[in-house]
Amino acid sequence: EAQVTQNPRYLITVTGKKLTVTCSQNMNHEYMSWYRQDPGLGLRQIYYSMNVEVTDKGDVPEGYKVSRKEKRNFPLILESPSPNQTSLYFCASSLKFNQPQHFGDGTRLSIL
Amino acid sequence: GQSLEQPSEVTAVEGAIVQINCTYQTSGFYGLSWYQQHDGGAPTFLSYNALDGLEETGRFSSFLSRSDSYGYLLLQELQMKDSASYFCAVRAATSGTYKYIFGTGTRLKVLA
Repeated sequence: EAQVTQNPRYLITVTGKKLTVTCSQNMNHEYMSWYRQDPGLGLRQIYYSMNVEVTDKGDVPEGYKVSRKEKRNFPLILESPSPNQTSLYFCASSLKFNQPQHFGDGTRLSIL
Repeated sequence: GQSLEQPSEVTAVEGAIVQINCTYQTSGFYGLSWYQQHDGGAPTFLSYNALDGLEETGRFSSFLSRSDSYGYLLLQELQMKDSASYFCAVRAATSGTYKYIFGTGTRLKVLA
């Protein structure tokens, strides 16, 4: 089944404790993105990747890192999480930039 | 800056037709997409317009006017299951960047 898989689905952690949210897709998609969704603000793009080893900042990259060592995986790293990063996070992928995006089920992060 | 505007909420009755508007201000416009998101779920792709005009997919249609920086999503024969949030999103390719910018979403309530 074609899918985008994120883990974990839920995480409660504390300020400053490094965490990684994994994202994997099995559709051989080139374009991958991370978004955060906050009430009243819609989806905001954090980082995107056009292909392996090609990543770039979205609109809200501060406090996040990403890597794209393999085509299928696009992890989101919070080196020193802070409470303002408490949010619902979505990973998405598409065959190319100009193709529809497929979203993962989301990861709800709470940083205390 | 880059921004999209859409109404925050729309209410309609079952069987009716509803139109959700979206105006945008972006550089490097590459197309307008629409996504649906049910409460607790992930966004799912509905429709895409790269060129001016109407695109029809079953009960859903989407329209784009690039000269007016305006588009809309038209939902016909509304059903209760259409109650969800709807997001317009612009693909923006400029200066070597390839980003998605989402609107803040329109919550559609379908009444029996």
